[in-house]
Amino acid sequence: DTGVSQDPRHKITKRGQNVTFRCDPISEHNRLYWYRQTLGQGPEFLTYFQNEAQLEKSRLLSDRFSAERPKGSFSTLEIQRTEQGDSAMYLCASSLGVGEGSNQPQHFGDGTRLSIL
Amino acid sequence: GDSVTQMEGPVTLSEEAFLTINCTYTATGYPSLFWYVQYPGEGLQLLLKATKADDKGSNKGFEATYRKETTSFHLEKGSVQVSDSAVYFCALLASGGSYIPTFGRGTSLIVHP
Repeated sequence: DTGVSQDPRHKITKRGQNVTFRCDPISEHNRLYWYRQTLGQGPEFLTYFQNEAQLEKSRLLSDRFSAERPKGSFSTLEIQRTEQGDSAMYLCASSLGVGEGSNQPQHFGDGTRLSIL
Repeated sequence: GDSVTQMEGPVTLSEEAFLTINCTYTATGYPSLFWYVQYPGEGLQLLLKATKADDKGSNKGFEATYRKETTSFHLEKGSVQVSDSAVYFCALLASGGSYIPTFGRGTSLIVHP
C-alpha cells in the first residue's frame, strides 16, 4: 500500500494559464474525491468518482474546472484560464466503497499547492 | 443540511497537558464520525472513527466518544506532546447512501515544550 499519490506537489503559474494535476489513488479503492483547501479552512468538496463515473460535482464549481478518471484508476483535475482565486491546496482522497451507505474513511494524498501569479 | 462545528483555535498547551477539542454535528439518521489530523505541508490522515452511538474511537492516545444525545464527538488526549502540534478536523459521513463527507473548519493545536 503506497498511499494516495499526487503530482506535482507544487505548481506556480501565471493567471490565465491552464493547469492539470494528477492523482493516483490506493489501487483497490473505487471511490476518488477532489477537494480544495485554503488557509484556515477545512477541505471543500469539488467532485467525486465511483470507478470511472463522475457521480457528483459541487454546485459551486466553476465551468473552468474539469476532472476525469478514464479507466477508474488515476484521475486528473484541470483548471482552465486560472484566476488568482484559484490559489489553494488541491487534495485528492480515495476510499473503498462496498454497497450503499458504506462508511469507510478516506485516505488523502499530500496535495498539490497551486499559486497563481 | 449536514454540518460540523468545531471549537475555534488555536489551542495552545504545554507538553503533558490534557487536551479537549470540541466537535458537535447536525445530521439526520446515524452518521459515521471521524477525526483527521493534518501536519504542515501534508494531507489529512485519519486519526480515529466511530460508526454508531456510544462507540469510542481511539488511536495514539487520542479518544473520542460518539454521543448521540448531545450530537458530539469531542477529541481528548490525556497528555499531549510537542509532536501533536497540527490541525485537527472533525468530519461526518451521513447514513443513507451519501458518499460525501462534511468537514469542520479545523482546530489548530500548538504544544509548547
